[in-house]
Amino acid sequence: QSALTQPASVSGSPGQSVTISCTGFRSDVGFYSYVSWYQQYAAKAPTLIIYEFSKRPSGVSNRFSGSQSGNTASLTISGLQAEDEADYYCSSYTNTVWLFGGGTKLTVL
Amino acid sequence: EVQLVQSGAEVRKSGEPLKISCKASGYMFTSHWIGWVRQMPGKDLEYIGMIYPTDSDTKYSPASRGQVTISVDKSISTAWLQWSSLKASDTAMYYCARRGCDGQTCYDFWGQGTLVTVSS
Repeated sequence: QSALTQPASVSGSPGQSVTISCTGFRSDVGFYSYVSWYQQYAAKAPTLIIYEFSKRPSGVSNRFSGSQSGNTASLTISGLQAEDEADYYCSSYTNTVWLFGGGTKLTVL
Repeated sequence: EVQLVQSGAEVRKSGEPLKISCKASGYMFTSHWIGWVRQMPGKDLEYIGMIYPTDSDTKYSPASRGQVTISVDKSISTAWLQWSSLKASDTAMYYCARRGCDGQTCYDFWGQGTLVTVSS
């Protein structure tokens, strides 16, 4: 099964906002997908930052937000900080099937 | 505090067997699926499969079915990922993760990873 599609890279300056898109999850009749987002620093394990499209786990900065529009899920990071430089992965869960996106490298200029 | 602690890095040769572990603590182990995720060097995350500790119900991704075996011992809150015969292409970092969130729709806690290196 194909992975989800994300842009390979995005960049922004400190204080700006960036948005990362994720497409390819199923949303047709009979299938409902739940999209989550993960942040991964180099040589570290991923950490959850958004689940069920827009919910934020406790302890995650409110600078991270998620949304859905049709077949596209989006992660927005506002007020960019140097510490946000990392890889970001979307994931979908649909009827016991898990998929991950190809990952997006965020560079803070 | 929820923790998933994985076994240490392994170096093996092609054809050898291997079993890596993931020990959970800080929550009711039988209430959450444990998933396994592979990350080849410099590459993205790939879902391998997951297991439900209560009854050992196991689900594999199409690509992983027949290539690996996932097992669990709920008495010691530990899950395993094993290979009967490693290939060089199995070289990767392997993560275990707890399936959680409101409807168990995400992986909310992750192990630190186990690096597996297979030489041909």
